[in-house]
Amino acid sequence: NAGVTQTPKFQVLKTGQSMTLQCAQDMNHNSMYWYRQDPGMGLRLIYYSASEGTTDKGEVPNGYNVSRLNKREFSLRLESAAPSQTSVYFCASSPPAGPIQPQHFGDGTRLSIL
Amino acid sequence: SQQGEEDPQALSIQEGENATMNCSYKTSINNLQWYRQNSGRGLVHLILIRSNEREKHSGRLRVTLDTSKKSSSLLITASRAADTASYFCATDGNTGNQFYFGTGTSLTVIP
Repeated sequence: NAGVTQTPKFQVLKTGQSMTLQCAQDMNHNSMYWYRQDPGMGLRLIYYSASEGTTDKGEVPNGYNVSRLNKREFSLRLESAAPSQTSVYFCASSPPAGPIQPQHFGDGTRLSIL
Repeated sequence: SQQGEEDPQALSIQEGENATMNCSYKTSINNLQWYRQNSGRGLVHLILIRSNEREKHSGRLRVTLDTSKKSSSLLITASRAADTASYFCATDGNTGNQFYFGTGTSLTVIP
């Protein structure tokens, strides 16, 4: 049982390049999330999808787009990467949306933008 | 920002000692959760406490919640080297679908 799988694990981009981070979960969860983690800042929510076909902005959505491809997959796209987007990106999933469900996290994508 | 804050930022203890870390948050909540993050890995859920609960136990973990002070504490008893990790609190901020994570406490347990 893989849980939440993120690809790639590491990536280096040049400023202005585009990239899509992939996330897939095999737990039949309805809700999926994208966070970024920066030193001293904890995790900040970028976008989330409460259910297949819906997406909503989180705390720091600027510069990102998302696609909920199906129930399993939720991708994060950087259209024109900027050095400020250098971070570790985590995908998470949880059972039906709501405040009481624990989130299950992938192991992250470490992204550096030069 | 609705982010919470953990205190202390870093904690170093000897194996067998107890470790206490605190979380303060800004808005009313439905529940508060604690997560652990090992170096280079994703977060792992440890325990959830609802806003109408004051204390909860799970194995060597004890969590307290004081909604009047908007604070929570996580106590790890009889610590082990394997407990070395960062610990984060997360609140739902009473919004339903969004979680707000604190800045984390880095715990080092010395064998």
